[in-house]
Amino acid sequence: AQSVSQHNHHVILSEAASLELGCNYSYGGTVNLFWYVQYPGQHLQLLLKYFSGDPLVKGIKGFEAEFIKSKFSFNLRKPSVQWSDTAEYFCAVNRVSGNTPLVFGKGTRLSVIA
Amino acid sequence: GAVVSQHPSRVICKSGTSVKIECRSLDFQATTMFWYRQFPKKSLMLMATSNEGSKATYEQGVEKDKFLINHASLTLSTLTVTSAHPEDSSFYICSATGQPYGYTFGSGTRLTVV
Repeated sequence: AQSVSQHNHHVILSEAASLELGCNYSYGGTVNLFWYVQYPGQHLQLLLKYFSGDPLVKGIKGFEAEFIKSKFSFNLRKPSVQWSDTAEYFCAVNRVSGNTPLVFGKGTRLSVIA
Repeated sequence: GAVVSQHPSRVICKSGTSVKIECRSLDFQATTMFWYRQFPKKSLMLMATSNEGSKATYEQGVEKDKFLINHASLTLSTLTVTSAHPEDSSFYICSATGQPYGYTFGSGTRLTVV
């Protein structure tokens, strides 16, 4: 079975600091990878996804993630965070085989302070 | 883009009663829908996968007689929590997938059983 590990439970950064959130998955086959964001009181929104091709994926709001197959990792980055980036971030993975469900990591809470 | 409408957003019910949660894909046909449960400060746990016109596939540990899932049409899936108890209080989220869209999440339902 697949599993997703997000190493940081809660990250606190000052505005303009750089962000990197770790995500590792365990699955031997081919996977799709996703990062979702959940702002307080709102539903999940897709930040970016990787299916194939260029392992460096750019998403919305200045976020990017790099798929490193040898490390089973898909870390999320942003060069300069803003207060509005305060949210919960979830990494997710699913098998490349039909409409298989997403398996989520436990999430990382990001708090950006002024 | 794709929109998934989930209702109600909040519901409070008495212990022993049943609650129905609806999940509708508004502008696409959802061949597959997923139901997740999110505990406070925890990740989304997959409850079941439902394909239109067939019985849902439940994850291990999820009581299928307690959490009834119906996916009778390509745009509607329902989750009924039967004989709800306080331990069923949680945040329930549906996700739909269908061409040409990927996974789209509903806004979630906060269930409180008193």
